[in-house]
Amino acid sequence: KAGVTQTPRYLIKTRGQQVTLSCSPISGHRSVSWYQQTPGQGLQFLFEYFSETQRNKGNFPGRFSGRQFSNSRSEMNVSTLELGDSALYLCASTLQDPREGYTFGSGTRLTVV
Amino acid sequence: EDQVTQSPEALRLQEGESSSLNCSYTVSGLRGLFWYRQDPGKGPEFLFTLYSAGEEKEKERLKATLTKKESFLHITAPKPEDSATYLCAVQAGGANSKLTFGKGITLSVRP
Repeated sequence: KAGVTQTPRYLIKTRGQQVTLSCSPISGHRSVSWYQQTPGQGLQFLFEYFSETQRNKGNFPGRFSGRQFSNSRSEMNVSTLELGDSALYLCASTLQDPREGYTFGSGTRLTVV
Repeated sequence: EDQVTQSPEALRLQEGESSSLNCSYTVSGLRGLFWYRQDPGKGPEFLFTLYSAGEEKEKERLKATLTKKESFLHITAPKPEDSATYLCAVQAGGANSKLTFGKGITLSVRP
C-alpha cells in the first residue's frame, strides 16, 4: 500500500517569506502528526491533527500552523521564515490507536537563506 | 517533562560484532516506547513498540527489551546494511499523544 507522501521534497526560501508543506497519510489513517528534525535538537513535535481537529501542539511559536482536510490530508504553514527554521519537516500518520507505530514520510527539506 | 537519552551517540562495529544500544527515559506514565531506524535522506522507519517492563520483541538481527527506566536494542551479528541512525521515542499516557525522541545513535558496520 502507498506510504505517507510529503511534497515537495526540497524547498529553498528567503527569510521573511512563508511556506506551505503538504502531507498525504496512509489510506485509512486519520491521525497526522508533524515533526521538525534538526542536527542540534533532533526530532521535535510540532502538532497533531485528528479528524480535522488539532489534538495536540508542541512548543513552537505561532508562526507554525497547520490544518487537516476531510480526506485526512494535512498541510503545515510557516510564516515569516527565519534562518533557524531550516530543517527536515516530517509528517507521520497512524490509526487512532498508535500501538502499531507511526508511519513517517520522507520529509520536506526546507532551507531558509 | 518527558526525556529520552540515547547512548552512545555513535557506534562503529565490525561485521558480526554484536552490541547494544541504550535508551534511558523518564516519562509520566509510559504508554509506549518506540524504536525507529532512519537512513540518510529518509524518514524514520518503524521497528518496535514496547509497552511494559519485561517485554521483548525481535525482528531479524534486532531485539528490543524494556525496563522501567531503559530500553536496549541488541544487534546480533550485524551486517553493513544495518548501518543507520537508530531513534528511541516515548509516548506518555494521557491526552497528549506526541512522541518524545532521543537524539539517536548512529551505527556504522564495517565489512
